[in-house]
Amino acid sequence: NAGVTQTPKFRVLKTGQSMTLLCAQDMNHEYMYWYRQDPGMGLRLIHYSVGEGTTAKGEVPDGYNVSRLKKQNFLLGLESAAPSQTSVYFCASVPGDGYTDTQYFGPGTRLTVL
Amino acid sequence: AQSVTQLGSHVSVSEGALVLLRCNYSSSVPPYLFWYVQYPNQGLQLLLKYTSAATLVKGINGFEAEFKKSETSFHLTKPSAHMSDAAEYFCAVSDLNDYKLSFGAGTTVTVRA
Repeated sequence: NAGVTQTPKFRVLKTGQSMTLLCAQDMNHEYMYWYRQDPGMGLRLIHYSVGEGTTAKGEVPDGYNVSRLKKQNFLLGLESAAPSQTSVYFCASVPGDGYTDTQYFGPGTRLTVL
Repeated sequence: AQSVTQLGSHVSVSEGALVLLRCNYSSSVPPYLFWYVQYPNQGLQLLLKYTSAATLVKGINGFEAEFKKSETSFHLTKPSAHMSDAAEYFCAVSDLNDYKLSFGAGTTVTVRA
């Protein structure tokens, strides 16, 4: 049971390049989330999903797209990276069974946009 | 909308001294509240959570927090700091419908020998 994993761990992009971050969980969780962490700002929600095939916007969705084609995977895409998207990105998941409300976090992806 | 305010971005304590991290929340409904810890270059680990049961919540590593509705607070304490407590701590409030978390800005704890 690997929990929540994120790929890649580190990435450097040039302005205007695109990339996709992968979040995978093997706990059969319904809900998944993407957050970004910036110094002095805590974590802010980018997008989230309440089940396979669903996505919704969070607090800071601009410049990002997401997809949840399979229940275990939640992809975060940057179509045209900007320096303002330099951040540490965390994925999280929640069972969604009505009993467990704790979010389980992945180890993070450190992205630098030059 | 729910929000969290953490008072103090940095806290420095001596080893063996009390650790007190302050968190105030804003919520129109009874909240679920969480404290997470992040060690350098790692992800977030749950310390403890309040989900409307006991107002004094005990967590891992000797931490505890007390929910005070009248003060809209959920402060985190540990009676005796250890060097291994050096980390960043985040308070968060949960949306009960879809479990979204709203985080505070974080408090970095340093422990002096």
